[in-house]
Amino acid sequence: GEDVEQSLFLSVREGDSSVINCTYTDSSSTYLYWYKQEPGAGLQLLTYIFSNMDMKQDQRLTVLLNKKDKHLSLRIADTQTGDSAIYFCAAKDSGYSTLTFGKGTMLLVSP
Amino acid sequence: DAGVTQSPTHLIKTRGQQVTLRCSPKSGHDTVSWYQQALGQGPQFIFQYYEEEERQRGNFPDRFSGHQFPNYSSELNVNALLLGDSALYLCASSWERRRGGEQYFGPGTRLTVT
Repeated sequence: GEDVEQSLFLSVREGDSSVINCTYTDSSSTYLYWYKQEPGAGLQLLTYIFSNMDMKQDQRLTVLLNKKDKHLSLRIADTQTGDSAIYFCAAKDSGYSTLTFGKGTMLLVSP
Repeated sequence: DAGVTQSPTHLIKTRGQQVTLRCSPKSGHDTVSWYQQALGQGPQFIFQYYEEEERQRGNFPDRFSGHQFPNYSSELNVNALLLGDSALYLCASSWERRRGGEQYFGPGTRLTVT
């Protein structure tokens, strides 16, 4: 089955850009998602990209997809302290809309 | 739009007991998926309900069962609770006809088994 891997921790300064990386194994994954989870809360859908796209931009968020290497990244421009959270990468297979998640990347933004 | 709602927020049970968790999907959504998130881990897929039927299931034992009602709301039942069932249980809803199949999550139910 699908396996999704992420780096576990990233620390940046306020105002810098953050880049969170993710790799997946199933080349038939059709959509890839980024979710944000704040302490004690559920998951907030940030953005997603279809597998035939290379890039998607949504305000401060930029998603890059390298389908050949099965590598996904999320860039957050002008990172703010309110962006501190755990970010999850998730892949949807070609069947029903069930998701396989990575273990999450904890982003810490310092003033 | 109320979004996805779940109840209760927190629950403490004893080993061997049974528990029922509830979920109301986002308005207009017809598909409900349940996930288990252990501490420090990503969510793990339990099962998905569409048209009141379980149509896909993850690697969870039969102690985990569910139901979807005609109004699309759903329940997750866990029998014979084990200490390892302690986790955050997340419900997600989506619209079957939406090409991207984006899933929107509720705030979760924190289950503690003692």
